[in-house]
Amino acid sequence: NFMLTQPHSVSESPGKTVTISCTGSSGSIASNYVQWYQQRPGSAPTTVIYEDNQRPSGVPDRFSGSIDSSSNSASLTISGLKTEDEADYYCQSYDSSNHDVVFGGGTKLTVL
Amino acid sequence: EVQLVESGGGLVKPGGSLRLSCAASGFTFSSYSMNWVRQAPGKGLEWVSSISSSSSYIYYADSVKGRFTISRDNAKNSLYLQMNSLRAEDTAVYYCARDAQLVPAAPGWFDPWGQGTLVTVSS
Repeated sequence: NFMLTQPHSVSESPGKTVTISCTGSSGSIASNYVQWYQQRPGSAPTTVIYEDNQRPSGVPDRFSGSIDSSSNSASLTISGLKTEDEADYYCQSYDSSNHDVVFGGGTKLTVL
Repeated sequence: EVQLVESGGGLVKPGGSLRLSCAASGFTFSSYSMNWVRQAPGKGLEWVSSISSSSSYIYYADSVKGRFTISRDNAKNSLYLQMNSLRAEDTAVYYCARDAQLVPAAPGWFDPWGQGTLVTVSS
């Protein structure tokens, strides 16, 4: 089954840039779009990136997404880090072979 | 405003049953596929089940197949999850989530999500 692997945690200072990776286990991660969700403690997830690199309205342009087919991975980059960006981030895609929706294990971002 | 409100969670003994509901408002419920996603305490997100707008297509994660049943009532703008043979590992917050797109270019993109309802399976 298709799986997505994320680092357990990352940390960076305010104002800096951080990148969170999401690596596909098999096949091509480019076969289906990747989405990224932000989840703050006690809240439901919200979308920060959809269709690999699109930002929903209201999400600042400090958030960007990309796909690297050579490493079969997706990345979420947050620039100009703010303390309010501290949250868990999940990548998500789809396994067309069995119609499963797949989430990465999540990455805890600490801004310190 | 699009709103999803889950209910029906609670404490249940192993082997027991529970039915979750999700009341939708602020959009044409009958046009969208709907989904359940769960999150065990301190853990990540796990997709549970999806149902198409007319209930023609239904999918389950292997971890719940044969025990959980997803359904919907478009006349009542409601989504349901019948959970049987519950196990301790089913303990989680269960979120109701709408497909973000009417015709999904990005399958599995869920937006918005409800606030969740907690299911605890314990003796």
